[in-house]
Amino acid sequence: AQRVTQPEKLLSVFKGAPVELKCNYSYSGSPELFWYVQYSRQRLQLLLRHISRESIKGFTADLNKGETSFHLKKPFAQEEDSAMYYCALSGGSYIPTFGRGTSLIVHP
Amino acid sequence: NAGVTQTPKFQVLKTGQSMTLQCAQDMNHEYMSWYRQDPGMGLRLIHYSVGAGITDQGEVPNGYNVSRSTTEDFPLRLLSAAPSQTSVYFCASSNTLPGEQYFGPGTRLTVT
Repeated sequence: AQRVTQPEKLLSVFKGAPVELKCNYSYSGSPELFWYVQYSRQRLQLLLRHISRESIKGFTADLNKGETSFHLKKPFAQEEDSAMYYCALSGGSYIPTFGRGTSLIVHP
Repeated sequence: NAGVTQTPKFQVLKTGQSMTLQCAQDMNHEYMSWYRQDPGMGLRLIHYSVGAGITDQGEVPNGYNVSRSTTEDFPLRLLSAAPSQTSVYFCASSNTLPGEQYFGPGTRLTVT
């Protein structure tokens, strides 16, 4: 079984502050981890995946197998980062399992 | 490419009514899935398909049916709508597993 936990429903920060959205997972094999974002009135879209090791819109996420975590980080939040963020896990040939989501609000 | 399309965008049903939510993709993706999005519950998998003619249940399949007669289409049928099925429904597709999921715009369903 695969499971994703996002402990924060809501994260509220001011513009320019660092942001960390937490994601913990449970899976016995080698997981594929993703972060998806849903901006207001837009469809869900992929933000980044751990195997690509990219930085997208200033966001990075590192897979920590020891802590079974895949936290999303950005050093300086912008107002346009306000959105709903979902962590997702795909193990083997399974359709992804999504976490409950974290709503990020960045205040001016 | 239109990507993943869903119809209708909004729907109001009365308890007991049935309806079909349509989903289509033009990317020739093998894998398609239906999720429902509820506040505080995130995205939960209803049904999925790994190819034409093959479907399977996800986490919350009760009250829903699916079929996959073509690669492009993956309709979701509500057999007898209940207020607990009030939700936003998303269809997604991908060409690999694991791989990026491409989502449709969603259907907002209200059951009264």
